[in-house]
Amino acid sequence: AQTVTQSQPEMSVQEAETVTLSCTYDTSESNYYLFWYKQPPSRQMILVIRQEAYKQQNATENRFSVNFQKAAKSFSLKISDSQLGDTAMYFCAFLNNAGNMLTFGGGTRLMVKP
Amino acid sequence: DAGVIQSPRHEVTEMGQEVTLRCKPISGHDYLFWYRQTMMRGLELLIYFNNNVPIDDSGMPEDRFSAKMPNASFSTLKIQPSEPRDSAVYFCASTGLRGSPLHFGNGTRLTVT
Repeated sequence: AQTVTQSQPEMSVQEAETVTLSCTYDTSESNYYLFWYKQPPSRQMILVIRQEAYKQQNATENRFSVNFQKAAKSFSLKISDSQLGDTAMYFCAFLNNAGNMLTFGGGTRLMVKP
Repeated sequence: DAGVIQSPRHEVTEMGQEVTLRCKPISGHDYLFWYRQTMMRGLELLIYFNNNVPIDDSGMPEDRFSAKMPNASFSTLKIQPSEPRDSAVYFCASTGLRGSPLHFGNGTRLTVT
């Protein structure tokens, strides 16, 4: 079974600064998929970014980028130029190769301060 | 595309009552998942379907919980009888191609008093 660990329950950052959220996972699979989801107070689960394990290049989506270290089983999310609207819970998630089992970390609550 | 649609958005019921949560997945998606979110346990997978067939229900907490998917466009999660510890947000999600992210509905917040 896969496990996903987010070691930072809460973080805060000043508006316009950069913040990095940590995520580690454990698996015996060689190919899989990793995601970051954002959950604002509206409780909607919003996909932020996706990474395929066989791709060495780190994924980027505008202000969001990841640092994927496959050997270390690490998948951190960097948010640049933080905005007030980035305030939310962020969940790291692991999807197995078969694509039928998505396992979530415990989440990191991010607050962006003005 | 309307996305994954869940109803109701909020449900408040008394202990012992039957509760039915509903989900319409994205058209063309052949996987459907039910998750439960609580402060204590985070996001837990309850059950998932592939082509309307339940594949893994090992996450269903008790026999009081049941889920059905009578067709490709509709699924229900039923709790009978409900208990206060069932209070949580229940999410439905669907996906199609392997490796594609799950698309979530807006969730149903269930409160059992």
